[in-house]
Amino acid sequence: SYELTQPLSVSVALGQTARITCGGDKIGAYNVHWIQQKPGQAPVVVIYRDINRPSGVPERFSGSNSENTATLTISSAQAGDEADYFCQLWDGSTYVFGSGTKVTVL
Amino acid sequence: QVQMVESGGGVVQPGRSLRVSCVGSGFTFSSYGMHWVRQTPGKGLEWVAIISYDGNNKNYADSVRDRFTISRDNSNNALYLQVKSLRLEDTAVYYCVKDKGHYNYYMDVWGRGTAVIVSS
Repeated sequence: SYELTQPLSVSVALGQTARITCGGDKIGAYNVHWIQQKPGQAPVVVIYRDINRPSGVPERFSGSNSENTATLTISSAQAGDEADYFCQLWDGSTYVFGSGTKVTVL
Repeated sequence: QVQMVESGGGVVQPGRSLRVSCVGSGFTFSSYGMHWVRQTPGKGLEWVAIISYDGNNKNYADSVRDRFTISRDNSNNALYLQVKSLRLEDTAVYYCVKDKGHYNYYMDVWGRGTAVIVSS
């Protein structure tokens, strides 16, 4: 089955840029989505189909996907961006999730 | 706004059955596919099942195919997950998730989840 690899944690200074990677075999051929999860809240899609931002998601969230790595970038990170972030895709037969990355804003 | 509210979780003994439910609001429920996704501390997020907007197409994760049944009642904006022969490893938070399209486009809006604890 297809596997997605994410770092366990990423730390970023307030106002700086955080990059969260999601590795997978030829992941660039798939549509990757990114989900933000804060404690006690419903998960929220922050990027869909690699690069698209749903309405209401701040412009500081952006995505890219190429070859074997998809990346979620949080520019000018805010305290409210502290959360777990999961990448996700449809591999042709099932939906696959990454194991999640905890983002800490220092 | 678009919202899904799950219910029906609780503590259940191994081997018993349970039905979790979800009610959608703020959108035309009958026009969209719907998913169930579960989350455990150990295994993270796991997709469970999908049903098409009209209920005619369904698909399941291999790990649950024989014991879980997804269904919907569009007249009541309701989604269901029937679980038979519960196992300890079914302990999880179960999320109801709206699809962006009729079926298998992408997961779009999530509910807050309902916790199922399988314990003797």
